[in-house]
Amino acid sequence: QITLKESGPTLVKPTQTLTLTCMFSGFSLRTSGVGVGWIRQPPGKALEWLALIYWDDDKRYSPFLKSRLTITKDTSKNQVVLTMTNMDPVDTATYYCAHSRAEYPNTFDLWGQGTLVTVSS
Amino acid sequence: IVMTQTPLSSPVTLGRPASISCRSSQSLVHSDGDTYLSWLQQRPGQPPRLLIYKISNRFSGVPDRFSGSGAGTDFTLEITRVEAEDVGVYYCMQATQFPITFGQGTRLDIK
Repeated sequence: QITLKESGPTLVKPTQTLTLTCMFSGFSLRTSGVGVGWIRQPPGKALEWLALIYWDDDKRYSPFLKSRLTITKDTSKNQVVLTMTNMDPVDTATYYCAHSRAEYPNTFDLWGQGTLVTVSS
Repeated sequence: IVMTQTPLSSPVTLGRPASISCRSSQSLVHSDGDTYLSWLQQRPGQPPRLLIYKISNRFSGVPDRFSGSGAGTDFTLEITRVEAEDVGVYYCMQATQFPITFGQGTRLDIK
């Protein structure tokens, strides 16, 4: 059974760096075709894709946020970490990590519950 | 690629059909020949859930009252008979080309 769970601070101050961790189980990021992505959703608004990392360490970023984002994986710990620099109140959102695999290509088949991050001084 | 959904809100009667449209600003046909258009459901207070991938393929466990169709730039999600558990927001998503993009969402509620 595949599960994903996001963790990180619930409150960050403007200009600070946000670090979010996606801990997963039921799959390995060493497996060909597997990826983990990050997507966010401001309160009451639509989904926005942020970043994606694949089993082969290929990394993709939203061009709108690329300068602020870094995605990494730790296959031994079954974790994917997203860092976002220079946080602003407009970055207040629920942040989701989601799983992708070759069996269901180019989509996110399973999602974590999400973690709400508020940016405020 | 900009994804545009219509309508943004859809009040429906239980047991009646519902339809949501999604249009992309350019063709979603990938160089490999597939079209990576998905539909997701987000029930109130829940994370998104995959319903349909590659236009018309139902994900595991998705009821067969959900179906997807379309090609190129125009896609549709249909629910044959709406049930109370179908209330929520529906998103189309394209992953043919980076950046991955989502529609604005369509809110489905019961009349």
